[in-house]
Amino acid sequence: KAGVTQTPRYLIKTRGQQVTLSCSPISGHRSVSWYQQTPGQGLQFLFEYFSETQRNKGNFPGRFSGRQFSNSRSEMNVSTLELGDSALYLCASSLGTLNNEQFFGPGTRLTVL
Amino acid sequence: AQKVTQAQTEISVVEKEDVTLDCVYETRDTTYYLFWYKQPPSGELVFLIRRNSFDEQNEISGRYSWNFQKSTSSFNFTITASQVVDSAVYFCALSEVTGGGNKLTFGTGTQLKVEL
Repeated sequence: KAGVTQTPRYLIKTRGQQVTLSCSPISGHRSVSWYQQTPGQGLQFLFEYFSETQRNKGNFPGRFSGRQFSNSRSEMNVSTLELGDSALYLCASSLGTLNNEQFFGPGTRLTVL
Repeated sequence: AQKVTQAQTEISVVEKEDVTLDCVYETRDTTYYLFWYKQPPSGELVFLIRRNSFDEQNEISGRYSWNFQKSTSSFNFTITASQVVDSAVYFCALSEVTGGGNKLTFGTGTQLKVEL
């Protein structure tokens, strides 16, 4: 079974731009969660989508948004990029039942200049 | 609010030594789940174990073992006879049932270096 895939793997943007990251979950998984990893703040939960609905949300500004499609693929968008948004963005998928183990993708490394 | 503390920032051992990674958590929930993940230099988080709050049995999987003690809110991870391939950052994480989703709260991680 293929694992979680994320595209692109690396991205360089400038301040003020917007960016869209994509995540394809493991086949059969209906929940997709997004996390931001930075050296200063560590791993932080952004949001979770299940059956095309946001089920849970972390403490991030509204510039961070996401969506999930009917095939469970998910995208996250960051608008008006700031230097502090430079991070590794990790996507995780799980079956969908609560508190199940989550399987992570390789991440998208975003650099904001 | 939930919190996970991994006090050991970095541990260095020589191959074949045993090593224990500590994890202490805080939660108001009576039902919760604890996890350990491994992050090798490639960056991808690898799932190691999930344990629910009602199951305090220790678990062993090959060279890995986990000790869950509710009385001290700890969920420690021991690697027996460490190998160079065990070098990675290890994260402990907590998921609460009342959160209504799959939100993981991570500790800050412990960097394990295993040298020859």
